[in-house]
Amino acid sequence: EDQVTQSPEALRLQEGESSSLNCSYTVSGLRGLFWYRQDPGKGPEFLFTLYSAGEEKEKERLKATLTKKESFLHITAPKPEDSATYLCAVRYAGGTSYGKLTFGQGTILTVHP
Amino acid sequence: EAQVTQNPRYLITVTGKKLTVTCSQNMNHEYMSWYRQDPGLGLRQIYYSMNVEVTDKGDVPEGYKVSRKEKRNFPLILESPSPNQTSLYFCASSLQRTGHTIYFGEGSWLTVV
Repeated sequence: EDQVTQSPEALRLQEGESSSLNCSYTVSGLRGLFWYRQDPGKGPEFLFTLYSAGEEKEKERLKATLTKKESFLHITAPKPEDSATYLCAVRYAGGTSYGKLTFGQGTILTVHP
Repeated sequence: EAQVTQNPRYLITVTGKKLTVTCSQNMNHEYMSWYRQDPGLGLRQIYYSMNVEVTDKGDVPEGYKVSRKEKRNFPLILESPSPNQTSLYFCASSLQRTGHTIYFGEGSWLTVV
């Protein structure tokens, strides 16, 4: 069964304490792995797309990496405004499921000042 | 401004009363999709559309209908809503090409009593 699993479910950090969020997937024919940030009551906001193993992308304090089985979202020296739920999603090919997008359950990040 | 617009944003309705949640995008995107988000279950795909008159089921299509008569619009129809369809709904769109950024609307809070 195709699955996307994020860990941990929740993460509490002190301001400036770097850490990583994990997204592991078992889908076949990956056509894109996405990271989103979601604030309470809002729609997900796009952060990164990764296409192939070894790829890395950075944006301010965030860096996303991809292997054949998982992706990491590294947060360097986080600030309280980085507090949000971070969602991972994969889009994959194969049969009639080309357009399917499967999300992980998210990691709730809280950064304390 | 690139936008995915959903209406209504908030709705309380009664069991069995048909309702439609509209979704419109102004980016000329081929791909559109509907998701529901529930606590502990994350974002789950209901239906998606790869282009006009082309729709397909996501992971949780039961109790929902969609149509794609125009490129910009992708309404979600609940023919006979039930309380288990109480949820936060998101519409999303992207270019059809693999891996392109998927933009989300602000969400529609639906309560069925």
